[in-house]
Amino acid sequence: DSGVTQTPKHLITATGQRVTLRCSPRSGDLSVYWYQQSLDQGLQFLIQYYNGEERAKGNILERFSAQQFPDLHSELNLSSLELGDSALYFCASSVPPGRNNEQFFGPGTRLTVL
Amino acid sequence: AQSVAQPEDQVNVAEGNPLTVKCTYSVSGNPYLFWYVQYPNRGLQFLLKYITGDNLVKGSYGFEAEFNKSQTSFHLKKPSALVSDSALYFCAVRDGDYGQNFVFGPGTRLSVLP
Repeated sequence: DSGVTQTPKHLITATGQRVTLRCSPRSGDLSVYWYQQSLDQGLQFLIQYYNGEERAKGNILERFSAQQFPDLHSELNLSSLELGDSALYFCASSVPPGRNNEQFFGPGTRLTVL
Repeated sequence: AQSVAQPEDQVNVAEGNPLTVKCTYSVSGNPYLFWYVQYPNRGLQFLLKYITGDNLVKGSYGFEAEFNKSQTSFHLKKPSALVSDSALYFCAVRDGDYGQNFVFGPGTRLSVLP
C-alpha cells in the first residue's frame, strides 16, 4: 500500500458526461501528479500540482482540468467525455518534486465511457 | 525530449532462472532512471532508481538494475525469478524543467513459468 488513495475505483459513464476523480496523497506529500494509462497511448503524464498550485502540464486535453485543495487532496475533472477517454487514471504523490525522488502511485480509477 | 524504449513486449522465463527486462533511454543531460512494476488491478510500485554513483543499483524484491552509459541502457535483472514476479514492468526517466514528471516506456510483460 503506497499511502495514496483514489476514489472511485471504477466509473462507468456515457459520452458527453462529466466526471470527477479524487486523489488523496500520502501524508506530508505536497506534490500530486495525474497520469493516464491507455492501451494505445501507454502511461502519459497529465498535470502536476504542488501545494495547491499548478506546476506543470503534460498531454492534458482542454476538456480536462484539475485542482489541489488546501488539505492537499486533488481532483481531476473530465468533461464532454468521449469513448477514447476510457482509461486508467493514476494519481501519484511525492514530497519535493525533485528529479531524485520516486513518486508513489495510487491504485487508479478505471473510467469506462460507453 | 526524454524518451525510453523497452524493446520487448513480453519476456518469458522459467521459475528459478535469471531474468532480464531491457530498457534503453535517450536524455539530454544526466539521466535519472527508474523502474516500476504494475500487478493486475494495482497501481505502480517503485522498484529502484539510478541517480548517480554505482552502475549496479539494488532495489526491492531482489531486483537490481545495471546502468550502462555508453550503451544508454538500464536493464532490470533478478538472479532467480519467482512466479510472483509475473507483472508489467515500466522503465521511466524524469522529464520536465525540473524533472517534475516521468516519461514511461511502453512496458514489458514478464511471465515466469512454474
